[in-house]
Amino acid sequence: NAGVMQNPRHLVRRRGQEARLRCSPMKGHSHVYWYRQLPEEGLKFMVYLQKENIIDESGMPKERFSAEFPKEGPSILRIQQVVRGDSAAYFCASSEIQGRVQPQHFGDGTRLSIL
Amino acid sequence: DQQVKQNSPSLSVQEGRISILNCDYTNSMFDYFLWYKKYPAEGPTFLISISSIKDKNEDGRFTVFLNKSAKHLSLHIVPSQPGDSAVYFCAASGNAGGTSYGKLTFGQGTILTVHP
Repeated sequence: NAGVMQNPRHLVRRRGQEARLRCSPMKGHSHVYWYRQLPEEGLKFMVYLQKENIIDESGMPKERFSAEFPKEGPSILRIQQVVRGDSAAYFCASSEIQGRVQPQHFGDGTRLSIL
Repeated sequence: DQQVKQNSPSLSVQEGRISILNCDYTNSMFDYFLWYKKYPAEGPTFLISISSIKDKNEDGRFTVFLNKSAKHLSLHIVPSQPGDSAVYFCAASGNAGGTSYGKLTFGQGTILTVHP
């Protein structure tokens, strides 16, 4: 998983607080994807971004969740007013071009725990 | 609606033997398939992929087979090694339901244990 950097690795928040998860893609990759893995489940797609653009947000909850990938700096997944059900592992992936014939490469994730 | 299914939660194999992991999908718009391996507390690691224009792709000990008519793919690992013990996820991508190719739809995973 070298290359895609996610931080923090572990994040603890109390209900009602905000969580910010950061992802730096592999060098040369301009496509970023966020996934969530709930306990005992597979990964679920959340959002696909290119620099300064959201390409597909069909998996994002309608409220409290937002994502950005600015021209400079890492991609950010932001969760406002966190609730217990937001506890999960959040994975970021990147690819050089759109992930059709290019595989997505994943970071090691951020484990979010809500107290 | 589980569009990608891995019906075997776990598989146990002896070292040196073949491991066969299976995956079924329901959406005929999927045309690119991938297998990932995942260790605890790490992210998924890409293993091998296959496009729907092929029915087989091989990379070292790993071979993926695709049967489009049955909407079924499988991953063969030969010979299996103890270090292969991990959770294996299949994933699919395609212009399905208006969403982008960037969206991977994952199965629930199969825990592979290779015994020495």
